[in-house]
Amino acid sequence: DAKTTQPPSMDCAEGRAANLPCNHSTISGNEYVYWYRQIHSQGPQYIIHGLKNNETNEMASLIITEDRKSSTLILPHATLRDTAVYYCIVRGAGNMLTFGGGTRLMVKP
Amino acid sequence: SAVISQKPSRDICQRGTSLTIQCQVDSQVTMMFWYRQQPGQSLTLIATANQGSEATYESGFVIDKFPISRPNLTFSTLTVSNMSPEDSSIYLCSVRHNQETQYFGPGTRLLVL
Repeated sequence: DAKTTQPPSMDCAEGRAANLPCNHSTISGNEYVYWYRQIHSQGPQYIIHGLKNNETNEMASLIITEDRKSSTLILPHATLRDTAVYYCIVRGAGNMLTFGGGTRLMVKP
Repeated sequence: SAVISQKPSRDICQRGTSLTIQCQVDSQVTMMFWYRQQPGQSLTLIATANQGSEATYESGFVIDKFPISRPNLTFSTLTVSNMSPEDSSIYLCSVRHNQETQYFGPGTRLLVL
């Protein structure tokens, strides 16, 4: 599976949109982009995933560039409870999830 | 999504002893995995628990240290054997049905003294 690069940390003001970037320049055509988050002392929580089209659910939006070499996870109105480590993972069908370092998002009042 | 429970949620153990962690899923799943998360680190895959056959271990993990059972499609156990303080970690069960999304349990926090 392709490797991902994320900034180690980011801050966001409560109520504002949080935009978390991820680079995956070596992604191949059949690999999906997955986003998980891990709130302190809990198991990772699935957020969203996509192949090439933008995706939206009740938690977040995923914007994937046309060349698929990068993506952005958007939390439209961040709250204090969104403070967590966010993991961007590229995974081929049938493969296991491999976690990198993630981005530690701090939502501040 | 699958609902996953783990027992125990946490434990404090003496070195040299063993602990068995249980993972229960509310539906049948094809794949079950065990991960470890050492303090301040990201998750590392220990092994894939295969139903009816031996688990498939990742590099750096061996069956003698982390024996795994998977008697059916909803249950698995991971044993941490002959524990040392370096085994202090969060151990996480994870499941996936076919090619679908992978989900994680709440984790078992282990402290070895």
